[in-house]
Amino acid sequence: GQNIDQPTEMTATEGAIVQINCTYQTSGFNGLFWYQQHAGEAPTFLSYNVLDGLEEKGRFSSFLSRSKGYSYLLLKELQMKDSASYLCAVPDSNYQLIWGAGTKLIIKP
Amino acid sequence: GAVVSQHPSWVICKSGTSVKIECRSLDFQATTMFWYRQFPKQSLMLMATSNEGSKATYEQGVEKDKFLINHASLTLSTLTVTSAHPEDSSFYICSARDLLAGDMGEQYFGPGTRLTVT
Repeated sequence: GQNIDQPTEMTATEGAIVQINCTYQTSGFNGLFWYQQHAGEAPTFLSYNVLDGLEEKGRFSSFLSRSKGYSYLLLKELQMKDSASYLCAVPDSNYQLIWGAGTKLIIKP
Repeated sequence: GAVVSQHPSWVICKSGTSVKIECRSLDFQATTMFWYRQFPKQSLMLMATSNEGSKATYEQGVEKDKFLINHASLTLSTLTVTSAHPEDSSFYICSARDLLAGDMGEQYFGPGTRLTVT
């Protein structure tokens, strides 16, 4: 079956860097998505990784290691507006997204 | 980027009534749309997968006769919550997959509909 693990909650300071980890077990692999979800809003797409390595997109970067079943989302120069839940998701064999429970990121001034 | 709209954004209804939620892809065609439900402080829960022109596929534990899904065109899917009860109060979110992007295309989410059943 499919299983995705990520920390429930993390706290970081404005201006700092934070890394949110995600581990997964899947029968096959069709890539890994990261989404951001602010409270009371729908998720918004952040990144999609299908090959090993780091992909940088502005202040946000996403890393994937397929051999380790591991990904992380790296957020730099944290801003208060980055306070949100960050969801890791992988497509199953039918290409439906299997969602992690999400990591609630709290940014303190 | 691709835009998905939902209507209404919030609705309050009385127990026993039905509510219809619309999901539209505004600038792309979507053969597949997904309906999710999210309770407070919980993760997204997939309810059903809606394919244009065919019957929806429901996840285990989701009553297909209670949550009616119609995907009549490549840009519109509707979810009707029939005989709503207070326990159906939740945040309902749809997403759509871009036809041209194929199966690995990202899902674009609508803004969600907050349903409160009194």
